[in-house]
Amino acid sequence: GAVVSQHPSWVICKSGTSVKIECRSLDFQATTMFWYRQFPKQSLMLMATSNEGSKATYEQGVEKDKFLINHASLTLSTLTVTSAHPEDSSFYICSAGPPSALQQETQYFGPGTRLLVL
Amino acid sequence: GQQVMQIPQYQHVQEGEDFTTYCNSSTTLSNIQWYKQRPGGHPVFLIQLVKSGEVKKQKRLTFQFGEAKKNSSLHITATQTTDVGTYFCAGTNNAGNMLTFGGGTRLMVKP
Repeated sequence: GAVVSQHPSWVICKSGTSVKIECRSLDFQATTMFWYRQFPKQSLMLMATSNEGSKATYEQGVEKDKFLINHASLTLSTLTVTSAHPEDSSFYICSAGPPSALQQETQYFGPGTRLLVL
Repeated sequence: GQQVMQIPQYQHVQEGEDFTTYCNSSTTLSNIQWYKQRPGGHPVFLIQLVKSGEVKKQKRLTFQFGEAKKNSSLHITATQTTDVGTYFCAGTNNAGNMLTFGGGTRLMVKP
């Protein structure tokens, strides 16, 4: 299957700092990538849809100025958590599908990034 | 908005016993997908069901999509310790632009 990578896998930062997470599709081009957040023992919650070359689409309740998304190329999307606070500590996962995919198609998930804000 | 409910939240079984998780959507779905997430890992795609009443099998796993395309189930026959993890269903709305995850069922298998 398709491979999606994420970097870093772990990050610990101080409150108030910004953290950038990268999501890459390694063997296919992805015009659309999705960012999820998962709190311990809970389900995945879609945060935003990242669209190559255009603005991201944010889900209700997700602050776009706090979670900056940039999809600069067909293989890379970045999520920046600005001025992180302890409540932002979570497991952030991206996903992408093959070029023809909309939400209808198989989604391949990255390995996730565990963020801990002290 | 679209809601996807999954039951049970947790299930403890003895190795060798069967296991079933159920998924129900508040709206008709275009398709339903199933994922498995091992402890500490990320979700891994298992299967997608598209047709009304569809049944698919993967070894000991049987997936069903309801006739009304609003519910689905995953059944594991004779569980093994390697089946441990959280199983999520995820439904796509008819417009094809929204994938909503269920809350997941955490399966624990006692050897």
